[in-house]
Amino acid sequence: AQSVAQPEDQVNVAEGNPLTVKCTYSVSGNPYLFWYVQYPNRGLQFLLKYITGDNLVKGSYGFEAEFNKSQTSFHLKKPSALVSDSALYFCAVSPTLAGGNTGKLIFGQGTTLQVKP
Amino acid sequence: DAGVTQSPTHLIKTRGQQVTLRCSPKSGHDTVSWYQQALGQGPQFIFQYYEEEERQRGNFPDRFSGHQFPNYSSELNVNALLLGDSALYLCASSTELAAGELFFGEGSRLTVL
Repeated sequence: AQSVAQPEDQVNVAEGNPLTVKCTYSVSGNPYLFWYVQYPNRGLQFLLKYITGDNLVKGSYGFEAEFNKSQTSFHLKKPSALVSDSALYFCAVSPTLAGGNTGKLIFGQGTTLQVKP
Repeated sequence: DAGVTQSPTHLIKTRGQQVTLRCSPKSGHDTVSWYQQALGQGPQFIFQYYEEEERQRGNFPDRFSGHQFPNYSSELNVNALLLGDSALYLCASSTELAAGELFFGEGSRLTVL
């Protein structure tokens, strides 16, 4: 079965420190990979995506993510965390078929990021 | 430019009733997807509409149905509501070539009593 795992329910970091939010996936083929962020009482916002090419992709608000095919991981990173980064982060994958990308997203359970001053 | 708008924002229904949720996509977007997000969970894909046709469907029963109109807006209908249908229902729009880069609305929170 296709699935996405975010092993940490919550990640706590101090402001100014680097952060990592982990994601692994189990999807056949070469899926597209995404990170979305959800602020309280708001819809999800797209952060970044990986389709092909350089394993390190850069996105909004200084976030980046590293794709590792052998480990089927797509960890979200930021060199210096801000208090305003505190939110719920979702990793998602979009399976591909012979005809191309399906456009359907499979989400992980989400990881709450808490950045303390 | 308005983003994705959903209505109503909150609603309460009782078991066995029917509900219709509405979504207007972001300007220029022609594809609408619906997701169900239960409390503490990630969103789960319900279905996707493109050119007024259901193009893909997730693992949801036939009680869940939808429609897309010529102006690309969409409705999600749920019949014979169950307590377990209580969730945040998210609409997302995109262009067909956007490859999963979705714009989400703020959702409709459905409570079934």
